Amino acid sequence: GQQLNQSPQSMFIQEGEDVSMNCTSSSIFNTWLWYKQDPGEGPVLLIALYKAGELTSNGRLTAQFGITRKDSFLNISASIPSDVGIYFCAGRYNNNDMRFGAGTRLTVKP
Amino acid sequence: DAGITQSPRHKVTETGTPVTLRCHQTENHRYMYWYRQDPGHGLRLIHYSYGVKDTDKGEVSDGYSVSRSKTEDFLLTLESATSSQTSVYFCAISEPDTYNEQFFGPGTRLTVL
Repeated sequence: GQQLNQSPQSMFIQEGEDVSMNCTSSSIFNTWLWYKQDPGEGPVLLIALYKAGELTSNGRLTAQFGITRKDSFLNISASIPSDVGIYFCAGRYNNNDMRFGAGTRLTVKP
Repeated sequence: DAGITQSPRHKVTETGTPVTLRCHQTENHRYMYWYRQDPGHGLRLIHYSYGVKDTDKGEVSDGYSVSRSKTEDFLLTLESATSSQTSVYFCAISEPDTYNEQFFGPGTRLTVL
């Protein structure tokens, strides 16, 4: 099956710093998505990417769909305490087969 | 927030007992999904439905069955729960034209002793 490698597993940063995380795969995906999950809740979609090379922003968040279609990254600029949570990448393989990375746990120190 | 509820939110059961989890939506979305979330694995698809009475297997379907008799309800059943099925279960919904954009419910934490 399609496997996603997400890194880093965890990050501890100071408020105001920028954050970068990424996902790689040995196989091609047609769509990349980034979700955020707060404790005790379900994941919430942050950004969806549909074309290789696509760069999309959502406020302080920027994500890119890698040219090879095997990777994606998410950047968060000027982090704030409410950015704390677990960030998941997801790649869509076909119709309803979406694979998730293991997540990056972000801690922001005020 | 998308109108998705899951019940129960927490359940503790014993090995060998049957368990049914319910996902209810008020969005009239055609697609519904069941995932499990375990540390180090992210979310893994168990089963999904693309319409009433239309379901298909996901990545980790062994030991699970599903049913969808109405658009708004998608049931996940563990016929005989095992300790390896201890997990947090999430339901999600989407529409065919935007099926990449899945909206998730709040989750059900299941513990099998």
